[in-house]
Amino acid sequence: NAGVMQNPRHLVRRRGQEARLRCSPMKGHSHVYWYRQLPEEGLKFMVYLQKENIIDESGMPKERFSAEFPKEGPSILRIQQVVRGDSAAYFCASSPMRSSSGANVLTFGAGSRLTVL
Amino acid sequence: AQSVTQPDIHITVSEGASLELRCNYSYGATPYLFWYVQSPGQGLQLLLKYFSGDTLVQGIKGFEAEFKRSQSSFNLRKPSVHWSDAAEYFCAVVSNTGKLIFGQGTTLQVKP
Repeated sequence: NAGVMQNPRHLVRRRGQEARLRCSPMKGHSHVYWYRQLPEEGLKFMVYLQKENIIDESGMPKERFSAEFPKEGPSILRIQQVVRGDSAAYFCASSPMRSSSGANVLTFGAGSRLTVL
Repeated sequence: AQSVTQPDIHITVSEGASLELRCNYSYGATPYLFWYVQSPGQGLQLLLKYFSGDTLVQGIKGFEAEFKRSQSSFNLRKPSVHWSDAAEYFCAVVSNTGKLIFGQGTTLQVKP
């Protein structure tokens, strides 16, 4: 039973290029969350998606960042025209459902570490 | 707004010594609280969680945490630390919109 799979684990981009980070949730999980961890900081929520729907993108930067979770395939976090400040670890987490009470346990992937030169 | 504070950024303890990592939360209702551990270059592993019931919760790797509503705290403890416990520890609370909100993290170093 594979856990949350993220790839690539490490990605190097030059300023202005695009970065695509992929996340395959655990089997049976239909809810995906993306978090960003900047150096020396904690994890910050970016976006919450269900299949084909963005539920909460309150943590996403207004420009250059987008996320999707298609009916088939992994969730994708896309960063266009990357800048040095985008260098961070990006973590994906999944859960089987969203509990209306909030008692939801997320399983995290190992992260994708983006370095922008 | 909900928030989590981990007052200690770095803690160093000797192997075999006891450990307590502090976590304070801000949340109006009964919180759902978590402790995660992150080893260098790795993802986050769930240590334990509190949803309701017994305020002393047991987790993996010999860790426990106690929910104290009066102090808005959820401190993580371990009676005897092992060198393999060196890692970064994150406390988190579920927000009223269902998101996990993390503290800044506490880096634990273990001296031989």
